Amino acid sequence: DTEVTQTPKHLVMGMTNKKSLKCEQHMGHRAMYWYKQKAKKPPELMFVYSYEKLSINESVPSRFSPECPNSSLLNLHLHALQPEDSALYLCASSQEGTIIFETQYFGPGTRLLVL
Amino acid sequence: AQSVTQLGSHVSVSEGALVLLRCNYSSSVPPYLFWYVQYPNQGLQLLLKYTSAATLVKGINGFEAEFKKSETSFHLTKPSAHMSDAAEYFCAVSAPGSSASKIIFGSGTRLSIRP
Repeated sequence: DTEVTQTPKHLVMGMTNKKSLKCEQHMGHRAMYWYKQKAKKPPELMFVYSYEKLSINESVPSRFSPECPNSSLLNLHLHALQPEDSALYLCASSQEGTIIFETQYFGPGTRLLVL
Repeated sequence: AQSVTQLGSHVSVSEGALVLLRCNYSSSVPPYLFWYVQYPNQGLQLLLKYTSAATLVKGINGFEAEFKKSETSFHLTKPSAHMSDAAEYFCAVSAPGSSASKIIFGSGTRLSIRP
């Protein structure tokens, strides 16, 4: 099973709402990632968790709050977002998160619209 | 710092024709390079990766890429295009020295296939 699942597929939220994105993998991977992808642009790394510890935060605004409850699950908590945060949010996982040529496996993404 | 440049934001070929997508890298150390594909409304999938084991790398779906140090290139090719190859293709490079596995994507090339 090489699948990374993400829920929900689509999310519409107002600027005062609090919502969460969920990502799950059952490949035994110990690293998980959040990316943000704007239309017609490449994915931009937001966060990396390795062995359930946050190892990279790419200076992401605090209105995005990641959480890794266990090695299979990754959440992204959203609060007081701005319309410019509307994008496709991709989750990925990899074996260890410390080997620089590891393959990352991506989920299908959550398409977020902030009104 | 590592980076990749994809030449041509959009490439259109006829079905059955050669596919050539160009990628040049910039790296102060031997790079690890990747090609990912993103089909409409989906996440990214690894096509192939270069890890210095062999300069000609074969990937999935009939794609291959050749690492040329003298030209700092890692172009993606497929001998005969199929309609199902229509997608966005991203070249990427790993970023050694970081505390976790981190890849940097190029701007992407949209491949269209003409019947």
